[in-house]
Amino acid sequence: DVKVTQSSRYLVKRTGEKVFLECVQDMDHENMFWYRQDPGLGLRLIYFSYDVKMKEKGDIPEGYSVSREKKERFSLILESASTNQTSMYLCASSYRPSGIGDEQFFGPGTRLTVL
Amino acid sequence: AQSVTQLDSQVPVFEEAPVELRCNYSSSVSVYLFWYVQYPNQGLQLLLKYLSGSTLVESINGFEAEFNKSQTSFHLRKPSVHISDTAEYFCAVSDSNDYKLSFGAGTTVTVRA
Repeated sequence: DVKVTQSSRYLVKRTGEKVFLECVQDMDHENMFWYRQDPGLGLRLIYFSYDVKMKEKGDIPEGYSVSREKKERFSLILESASTNQTSMYLCASSYRPSGIGDEQFFGPGTRLTVL
Repeated sequence: AQSVTQLDSQVPVFEEAPVELRCNYSSSVSVYLFWYVQYPNQGLQLLLKYLSGSTLVESINGFEAEFNKSQTSFHLRKPSVHISDTAEYFCAVSDSNDYKLSFGAGTTVTVRA
């Protein structure tokens, strides 16, 4: 079974803090994704990585950065957390380099609250 | 990028009754279509997908969805729901030449005994 794990299920941070969300997949997948999930908005893509050290902006990259130093790990960084970044963050991975049409496998999510 | 509309945000339904979740997307020449399900306190998991071929696709747990190109729709149906089908359901679409998935806002299905 593909397993995508996220470092925390719940996280509470203060405005201005630097926040790291970690994601690890154990199936040697090429592609990894970070989404945020908000009620009534569904999932929105923040960043995508198709290889180690490679990244592409998604639909809402402002205020976020990412790091992929190893194939199995993809980190989402909030340089200076703000209250409007309170959300559920979901990590996903998929197998092929092209990624087109492939199933994405999701982690359980990290619910981040910024006070 | 695709735009995806799930027409119902909440669908309450009684156990053993049928359910239909509606999904429409913006027009494109060629698309891939997905339904994902999110059970309480879990991540999303793929329920079924349409890439090509037969327009009717089925999942292992009794759901089916039909791709209708002329109506740009991919509605999800189940003839008889169980309590365990209580979850949020997301429709997702990608252009056939793009890795990016566009998700709908989600439909919460609550099954009551």
